[in-house]
Amino acid sequence: EVQLLESGGGLGQPGGSLRLSCAASGFTFNNYAMNWVRQAPGKGLEWILSISGSGNYTHYADSVKGRFTISRENSRSTLYLQMNNLRAEDTATYYCAKSGKTVWSMDYWGQGTLVTVSS
Amino acid sequence: EIVMTQSPVSLPVTPGEPASISCRSSQSLLAFNGYNYLDWYLHKPGQSPQLLIYSGSNRVSGVPDRFSGSGSGTDFTLRISAVEAEDVGVYYCMQTLQTPLTFGGGTKVEIK
Repeated sequence: EVQLLESGGGLGQPGGSLRLSCAASGFTFNNYAMNWVRQAPGKGLEWILSISGSGNYTHYADSVKGRFTISRENSRSTLYLQMNNLRAEDTATYYCAKSGKTVWSMDYWGQGTLVTVSS
Repeated sequence: EIVMTQSPVSLPVTPGEPASISCRSSQSLLAFNGYNYLDWYLHKPGQSPQLLIYSGSNRVSGVPDRFSGSGSGTDFTLRISAVEAEDVGVYYCMQTLQTPLTFGGGTKVEIK
C-alpha cells in the first residue's frame, strides 16, 4: 500500500525557514517523480515544485523560485521541501504527491501538513 | 503558463441526477503522441485530493464508473452520470503538459 507521510509543518516566522519531509513507502521511490502542492486557506490547489525520480531534474513555480528547494533522498525514500524567506502568503497546507499514470499526474497524496507564517 | 478555467464555480446537485463540469485551457493539451495531458481530481472535505481521471478520459482503478472524462485540445468535461452523496467536494482539472503545472480554480459540488 502506497503511503506518504508529511511532517515538519508548524509556525514559521516571516523571513524564516522551515523544512518539510515526506516519508514514502509501498512503492519503488526512485522510480517516480514527486511533487509538492499547496492549498492556502479558502483557496484552490497550487502546484509549486516537482522533482524527477533520480533527483536530477527539478521544476519550480515562480511563486517559490529562489526561496524553496525540493530534494529527495532515495536511500531513505524521503522527499524534502526546504522553505526559506517565508512570507505570509506561504501559509497553506502542503501536500506531497507521487507522480504516476503520466509523467506528472499525481496518483497518491499525503495527508498534508499545515504551515502558518506569522510573527 | 497554461491557464485553466473551470465552470461552474459552484454546482448544487440532486442525488441520482447527472452533473457535468467544464474545463478549458489557454492552449491545446493534445501532445504529439495523441494524448491529452489533462487530469481531474476530487478534494473531499477533510481528505487529501484524489486522482479520478488522467489523460483526459482514463479513469483511475477503483473510481466508480459513474465518473467519465471527455474532450480534447482545449475543452474538457467531467461527467457524473448519477451523483451520490459521497461525491461532494471540490473538483479540479489540472494540465500536465508542461510546467508550471496548473490547476483550474475548482468546482464545488454540493447536494441540494
